[in-house]
Amino acid sequence: DAGVIQSPRHEVTEMGQEVTLRCKLISGHNSLFWYRQTMMRGLELLIYFNNNVPIDDSGMPEDRFSAKMPNASFSTLKIQPSEPRDSAVYFCASSSDPYTGELFFGEGSRLTVL
Amino acid sequence: SQQGEEDPQALSIQEGENATMNCSYKTSINNLQWYRQNSGRGLVHLILIRSNEREKHSGRLRVTLDTSKKSSSLLITASRAADTASYFCATTGNQFYFGTGTSLTVIP
Repeated sequence: DAGVIQSPRHEVTEMGQEVTLRCKLISGHNSLFWYRQTMMRGLELLIYFNNNVPIDDSGMPEDRFSAKMPNASFSTLKIQPSEPRDSAVYFCASSSDPYTGELFFGEGSRLTVL
Repeated sequence: SQQGEEDPQALSIQEGENATMNCSYKTSINNLQWYRQNSGRGLVHLILIRSNEREKHSGRLRVTLDTSKKSSSLLITASRAADTASYFCATTGNQFYFGTGTSLTVIP
């Protein structure tokens, strides 16, 4: 298996633009987590899904952020409109068990909003 | 952080020395996991210790867990330059929450 695949790896955009980050889960995994990493705030859990259903989105910063899981193997995180404070590395991770299992991370999407 | 904190924030040691990192967390857990992150990369799972375990070994790694103190430690023995990375603890209860991380530098 190729592991968790994220795209794009790097994105530079201007304030106000829409940003879509993508994640492909490991085959057979049924849980998907989105994290944001910054120097100031560390790793923040934004949202997680189990069996395609959002279980907890309390970490999503505000309404500008939305996440979907249209099928069992794919997820998107959208920011609209983007702001400079959204600049961070966004990771997705998948697991076979959302409560006790090991997380497998993608390599991250580095977002810079100018 | 949302759940825990690692201590120290940064650690610099000579190759061959042991490195010890500590993690404190806030709520009850199912298990505690340690992850490693190399610069510019995603996190990689190292070891998992269940809430009813007190110590676990994996190669040069030794993890302890004290649920009464809500703390864990990761010991890396005989460190190598390739161990240079950030190390995070993650607690699983209702969600996966990560600590703030310890940046380890191993000097050749």
